[in-house]
Amino acid sequence: DGGITQSPKYLFRKEGQNVTLSCEQNLNHDAMYWYRQDPGQGLRLIYYSQIVNDFQKGDIAEGYSVSREKKESFPLTVTSAQKNPTAFYLCASNQGQQNSPLHFGNGTRLTVT
Amino acid sequence: AQKVTQAQTEISVVEKEDVTLDCVYETRDTTYYLFWYKQPPSGELVFLIRRNSFDEQNEISGRYSWNFQKSTSSFNFTITASQVVDSAVYFCALSEAENNDMRFGAGTRLTVKP
Repeated sequence: DGGITQSPKYLFRKEGQNVTLSCEQNLNHDAMYWYRQDPGQGLRLIYYSQIVNDFQKGDIAEGYSVSREKKESFPLTVTSAQKNPTAFYLCASNQGQQNSPLHFGNGTRLTVT
Repeated sequence: AQKVTQAQTEISVVEKEDVTLDCVYETRDTTYYLFWYKQPPSGELVFLIRRNSFDEQNEISGRYSWNFQKSTSSFNFTITASQVVDSAVYFCALSEAENNDMRFGAGTRLTVKP
């Protein structure tokens, strides 16, 4: 079955450490996205990529980095510069057109202590 | 700038009641798309419906219906005869023609009690 796989589901890190969240899709979608979800704030866009080797910052890109070396993969690194990294992170993909709905992964819950 | 407002943070109803989730949006664009997604406890958002800015026809799908009104910039979602399985967080989202991203409202947590 086609879909988006995020791993791991739960992730724990110590403050000051960088951590990378995995996102893989086999939907042959051109565009991929990373959102952060906090209680009461909905989903906020971190980064998105419309094509391989290209990506753009979203509303809250500070403290995060991404790469898009392959069409299927869009890993997100949460760096030590991110002030409040504990959150639920959702990866999504679509065809890249404005009317194309997003397909989401199951998310990764990151806890930094 | 685009903005989506879901003023209802949480709603609780008893099974078989009808419930309407409100969504108000702001955009300067004349071409845009509105979406509703459902997020069950498992965490994965599921696409429910898409509507473009030129199509104001209301839509019904089983117990779900959507009311799009450009005059009030609203895209409300009604669940008829709610069921416990409808319990989830529901998100309204907006995509403009010139931007390559999708912006979400804060979500409404619906709890349907048996």
